[in-house]
Amino acid sequence: NAGVTQTPKFQVLKTGQSMTLQCAQDMNHEYMSWYRQDPGMGLRLIHYSVGAGITDQGEVPNGYNVSRSTTEDFPLRLLSAAPSQTSVYFCASSYSTGLETQYFGPGTRLLVL
Amino acid sequence: GQQVMQIPQYQHVQEGEDFTTYCNSSTTLSNIQWYKQRPGGHPVFLIQLVKSGEVKKQKRLTFQFGEAKKNSSLHITATQTTDVGTYFCAAPLGGSNYKLTFGKGTLLTVNP
Repeated sequence: NAGVTQTPKFQVLKTGQSMTLQCAQDMNHEYMSWYRQDPGMGLRLIHYSVGAGITDQGEVPNGYNVSRSTTEDFPLRLLSAAPSQTSVYFCASSYSTGLETQYFGPGTRLLVL
Repeated sequence: GQQVMQIPQYQHVQEGEDFTTYCNSSTTLSNIQWYKQRPGGHPVFLIQLVKSGEVKKQKRLTFQFGEAKKNSSLHITATQTTDVGTYFCAAPLGGSNYKLTFGKGTLLTVNP
């Protein structure tokens, strides 16, 4: 099993550009989530999904969209990137809820100029 | 919003010294998880504590959950250079089983 995979590993955007961060897992996990990590801020929850077709907001959802059309994939979309979205983004998955072991992907480092 | 407070923010030790990081919440926690993130890496699950007063050990690591389930600690005995990284606690807050809140982490550096 590959576990949780994320692409790209690095990305540089200009302000106002859009992009999609990809996340996939092959563990048949129902629960998937996106976090951003900024220096001194820990990991903050952006959006999460409890299954295909079901998503909800986390702590810092503004500026981000998500959808979950399949169990395996949970892409994160930035519609109009801003410098404040410069961060490291981690996708995570678990069997069904946030109460279980979270398996994290390797992360995407995003720089918005 | 509700938070999990983690202290200290940084800790530098000599190899062989002990290390402890603490997490505190103003509300009762259903469970608490601990993760380790190596520099440049991603968080990796270490353990989950569920019961009041629970103590679990993994080799040189000892995890405790407070009797009131409002605090937790991670203690490393005789640190090694392989222990370097940031240690995070995480807990579901606000009555939701789906929103995991992370502490800000404790960065441990070890001088060989």
